[in-house]
Amino acid sequence: GDSVTQMEGPVTLSEEAFLTINCTYTATGYPSLFWYVQYPGEGLQLLLKATKADDKGSNKGFEATYRKETTSFHLEKGSVQVSDSAVYFCALSVNTGNQFYFGTGTSLTVIP
Amino acid sequence: NAGVMQNPRHLVRRRGQEARLRCSPMKGHSHVYWYRQLPEEGLKFMVYLQKENIIDESGMPKERFSAEFPKEGPSILRIQQVVRGDSAAYFCASSPNGGRHNQPQHFGDGTRLSIL
Repeated sequence: GDSVTQMEGPVTLSEEAFLTINCTYTATGYPSLFWYVQYPGEGLQLLLKATKADDKGSNKGFEATYRKETTSFHLEKGSVQVSDSAVYFCALSVNTGNQFYFGTGTSLTVIP
Repeated sequence: NAGVMQNPRHLVRRRGQEARLRCSPMKGHSHVYWYRQLPEEGLKFMVYLQKENIIDESGMPKERFSAEFPKEGPSILRIQQVVRGDSAAYFCASSPNGGRHNQPQHFGDGTRLSIL
């Protein structure tokens, strides 16, 4: 079936550290891949997306590359800030269905 | 605010009562999705609706749960005879082109349901 496996947290980093959150997927159809961010008490906000192999999504200093050969979509940021503290969700949708499939989320805390 | 609007933000019910959760999609969006988030978990799909039609309810529990999206007004997720296990955050999302898998879904801030 379709699913997303996401690196477990929580992750704690110092400000300006490098961030990687791993995400791998399985898909029966042709997937589009997304990263969403959730701040405390809020809904999910789209962070970035990629819709075909080798595409790179980027936003606010975050990047992720759609790797079909490794079925991965790892999230990276070169220098995190305190304001990046949130829960990050990897998600996929396939061309044969209606729903999004979410990973379990990775909680990130950035300390000054 | 032209985003997805959900209300109430917080809802407390006693076991056996009914819970009604409302969702108004973004302006111009006619496709609505409901998800449930249990503590420390990701979001799980429940149901996908267009105006006056349920398109996919494969994630909905067979009993006590129902959803509608009438021609006029918000989408409603209804939970009858609530139990403690229904305590969760319920999120609504909308999109302008249902089934277009490469388009993002836009989420509301959710309704946190607590069952006493």
